[in-house]
Amino acid sequence: NAGVTQTPKFRVLKTGQSMTLLCAQDMNHEYMYWYRQDPGMGLRLIHYSVGEGTTAKGEVPDGYNVSRLKKQNFLLGLESAAPSQTSVYFCASSYGSGRGHEQFFGPGTRLTVL
Amino acid sequence: GQSLEQPSEVTAVEGAIVQINCTYQTSGFYGLSWYQQHDGGAPTFLSYNALDGLEETGRFSSFLSRSDSYGYLLLQELQMKDSASYFCASGGYNKLIFGAGTRLAVHP
Repeated sequence: NAGVTQTPKFRVLKTGQSMTLLCAQDMNHEYMYWYRQDPGMGLRLIHYSVGEGTTAKGEVPDGYNVSRLKKQNFLLGLESAAPSQTSVYFCASSYGSGRGHEQFFGPGTRLTVL
Repeated sequence: GQSLEQPSEVTAVEGAIVQINCTYQTSGFYGLSWYQQHDGGAPTFLSYNALDGLEETGRFSSFLSRSDSYGYLLLQELQMKDSASYFCASGGYNKLIFGAGTRLAVHP
């Protein structure tokens, strides 16, 4: 099992450019999440999904969009990148209802917006 | 609203015991989780308390008191590899809110 994988691992963007981060999991988890982590801070939830075809907003959704067309994949899009979106992005997944406390994280994507 | 408070840094020596505290304010409580994160790595799940009391997993234990809105992570027989950041987390239905993290430095 690969667990949770993320691509790319690193990316540098210019302000105004767009990009998509891909997350994939092979554990047949129902729930998937996107977080961002800034220096000295905990993880903040951007968007999450409770199943294929569903998405919902988290704490800090502005400037991001997501899609979950397949159960194993969760995509995070930045339509017009801003320097404030420089961060490390983590994807996570978990089993279904009542078990969201144990989340499995990917290795992260380090994004710099110039 | 929801917030979790934990100390920013803790220092200890190898072989010692250290306790990392977490206090929370939540509009709805679904248990307290703990995660470990090494520098440059991904968070990994350590433990979860849904009810009051102590949960033990090897050298790590986690405690919860819902009446005090308080929990802690206890690390025993500290090893150098335990140097990492530790996050408490709680939240609504499958939505975790994380504390800012406690950086643990273990010295020889």
